[in-house]
Order: sequence, then structure tokens, then C-alpha cells
Amino acid sequence: EPEVTQTPSHQVTQMGQEVILRCVPISNHLYFYWYRQILGQKVEFLVSFYNNEISEKSEIFDDQFSVERPDGSNFTLKIRSTKLEDSAMYFCASSRQGAYGQPQHFGDGTRLSIL
Amino acid sequence: RKEVEQDPGPFNVPEGATVAFNCTYSNSASQSFFWYRQDCRKEPKLLMSVYSSGNEDGRFTAQLNRASQYISLLIRDSKLSDSATYLCVVNTGPRNNDMRFGAGTRLTVKP
Repeated sequence: EPEVTQTPSHQVTQMGQEVILRCVPISNHLYFYWYRQILGQKVEFLVSFYNNEISEKSEIFDDQFSVERPDGSNFTLKIRSTKLEDSAMYFCASSRQGAYGQPQHFGDGTRLSIL
Repeated sequence: RKEVEQDPGPFNVPEGATVAFNCTYSNSASQSFFWYRQDCRKEPKLLMSVYSSGNEDGRFTAQLNRASQYISLLIRDSKLSDSATYLCVVNTGPRNNDMRFGAGTRLTVKP
């Protein structure tokens, strides 16, 4: 069964440094998403991406965050100047369509630890 | 009121028991509904979509009550492998971009 893959599985970074999290969505999916989950808390929506542009973002997704689809397969999340509170599990997801009723499929996440 | 609210549990049940989880959502414009399960420190995995007429997948039954803004998940004949956190997920539509997760209900099935 096709799956969403994420790299790295664990990233440790010094506060203030830039970090790039990578995702390869399912190949025939057109909509891509990033979520985060702080340890012990609920999954929170960050951003959705379609047709090479952001279609929606949450209040968490401020100017320090950006997303990109640099080629036909990768989808990246960049955090420009990391803060301690950015420590979380980051999940990428994709869906075939954006119409309601289409479930999203999640990658197994990148654990980001900011020191 | 929280956008998606679930009883956090934990629910501790013996193998073979029937257990039900409830979820309420605040946005009456919500269009689609899902149950995901999440194992400890793993990604959410789709368990089932929830349809207006209710739907069943093996031991799992999902119900939706739009008037009360309420979703339920029933697990029959629970197995040890059902132990996980069950996430209620609601999207406000019409696009699939605004998925809101409940905090999850933790289930432990014991021998």
C-alpha cells in the first residue's frame, strides 16, 4: 500500500537554527499538509498546499514557517529560526482530493527536538 | 467550547468487551468526519470515515448525528490490539484543508 514517507525520523537542532523537514506524499495525491503534535497534546493543523501554493494555514503557521514543493515528489517544511516551543512531532499528510470526505494519510512523523 | 471535544478516558476494558466513544463538534458547518487511531508516539492512522447514515467496518460502527453535532464509535469484541488513542477528526469543508482533531480517547484492552 502506498504511503507517505518523512525524513529524518528525528532531528535535534540548536535554538535559532533553521531546520527543513522533508516529506514524500503518496504519488497520485494532489493535496499536502503539515501538522504538529506537541508531546501529550492534540494534533494541530499547520498548513495545506495545493497546486504549488498554500491554500490554508493556521495561526500557528507564522512568518518563521514556510513550505515548498521543490520538485515533483518532495514537500518540505522549513522553520527559519527555531524556538524551544517548536519541539514537537511534525506529521506530513496527503490526500487525493481536497473535496470534503477525502481522508488524509499521514507519514510516520519527524520528531523535532530544539535544544 | 472546544472545536472537537472527546472524553479523554482512559477506558480500561477486558478483551471481548464492547466500548463506545463519543465526540462533539462545535461548527455546524462541518462537512466530513473521521475516526483515526494513534498508537503511542506514532502517526494517526485512518480507522474509518463517518457517513450520515452510519457505517460499519467489521467490529467498528460509526454514527453521526448532525442535529446534535455528535459522532460516536462503537468497538465490539475488543482485542488487545485495539489498545490505542482514538481521535475524532472533523473538517469544516468544503475543502479538505481544515481538519480539526480532538484530543483523543485512550483505550486499553486488558487480557
